[in-house]
Amino acid sequence: NAGVTQTPKFRVLKTGQSMTLLCAQDMNHEYMYWYRQDPGMGLRLIHYSVGEGTTAKGEVPDGYNVSRLKKQNFLLGLESAAPSQTSVYFCAIRDLAKNIQYFGAGTRLSVL
Amino acid sequence: GENVEQHPSTLSVQEGDSAVIKCTYSDSASNYFPWYKQELGKRPQLIIDIRSNVGKKKDQRIAVTLNKTAKHFSLHITETQPEDSAVYFCAASLLSGSARQLTFGSGTQLTVLP
Repeated sequence: NAGVTQTPKFRVLKTGQSMTLLCAQDMNHEYMYWYRQDPGMGLRLIHYSVGEGTTAKGEVPDGYNVSRLKKQNFLLGLESAAPSQTSVYFCAIRDLAKNIQYFGAGTRLSVL
Repeated sequence: GENVEQHPSTLSVQEGDSAVIKCTYSDSASNYFPWYKQELGKRPQLIIDIRSNVGKKKDQRIAVTLNKTAKHFSLHITETQPEDSAVYFCAASLLSGSARQLTFGSGTQLTVLP
């Protein structure tokens, strides 16, 4: 699984609360991604990063912010959580040498 | 941007039968097509992929075919077993470029009946 670690694994928030999800890799991959997974909708890209200090919007970026201050860590932030953000969040890295994308174990988030 | 459609959304087969899942994509520039398997409560894991310079690829009981002209690709699982039961996702992307992000289909829940 290419050493991709997500924390926390589970979280319950109240509407309006904020939180940060952490994705950490133990390799030196440049490309990192945040997806959300909802029933019947597959995996949708929220934000991604192609290197330290860079971030870019994906398909569904609204309500989320990201930062990549260190190459090993990609953070996903929710400033004011909404029930529509209840989902399973997956981080992924792209191994460019093998051209394979590996996923973390996921974070299950419920917003009440 | 790229759009990937996947069919069917659910598929039930008898153990030992074959299963076929189909995907279409919209961006003719896409040249990399992976398939992921996701068991309940687990992360998606790559099971097979194909590049646009290849029409078919096989790995034991699974195979993928690609028709670039029609912009569709398919996953074939033969001699299905109960452990093949999972959600399968197709995806499309570019092998080069700045983002290389995968665009996923909506998934197929495969159930193999004993």
